[in-house]
Amino acid sequence: QVQLVQSGAEVKKPGSSVEVSCTASGGTFSAYTITWVRQAPGQGLEWLGRIIVIFGTADYAQKFRGRAMITADESTRTVHLQLTSLKSDDTAVYYCARDYSAADGMVRWFDPWGQGTLVAVSS
Amino acid sequence: QSVLTQPPSVSAAPGQKVTISCSGSSSNIGNNYGSWYQQLPGTAPKLLIYDNNKRPSEIPDRFSGSKSGTSATLAITGLQTGDEADYYCGAWDSSLSAFVFGTGTKVTVL
Repeated sequence: QVQLVQSGAEVKKPGSSVEVSCTASGGTFSAYTITWVRQAPGQGLEWLGRIIVIFGTADYAQKFRGRAMITADESTRTVHLQLTSLKSDDTAVYYCARDYSAADGMVRWFDPWGQGTLVAVSS
Repeated sequence: QSVLTQPPSVSAAPGQKVTISCSGSSSNIGNNYGSWYQQLPGTAPKLLIYDNNKRPSEIPDRFSGSKSGTSATLAITGLQTGDEADYYCGAWDSSLSAFVFGTGTKVTVL
């Protein structure tokens, strides 16, 4: 059974960067696609992007292109999300999840999810 | 701004049935697979339904999904107090080349 464990909460200043990690246990890590989703306080879910671990290729929602970077380290079975130029509205809980995509690249579902990492952006 | 529209809230008494609608378009629900997630208070979302109407083995058959045209529906029968949660639909949007979630629905057991 795949389990995803995320790094701890972060407090950042506006304009800075943050890196959130997601470590997988169980299964064949190189076969995974890992996605990142965030949830602002009291708000809904928002997809940021994903990485196909075996190829190391990532794609992003339009809103986050140029500001988010997703990387994978097979040696540590860890996926990293870096978000730069932080603003107060980036304050959210960030979740990683295993992404099941069709051969055509379209995401079908997410399971399991990590426990979430709170990123708070405040001056 | 969410591309998929859900009612903000639904409620029913224990043992009753609720349905949650998810309205989209031909670029998402209409032509791609939909999924549903349950988020209990203070926890991460959990997969309930995938590929429109399939349940992971650990999900009870009180939860069911369906799709008609550009809309999806989640039904919960035999409502229990433990079902009080937020529920989200989701699907790949071919026009946006992104996964989109619904606006979310809060289920209250009266």
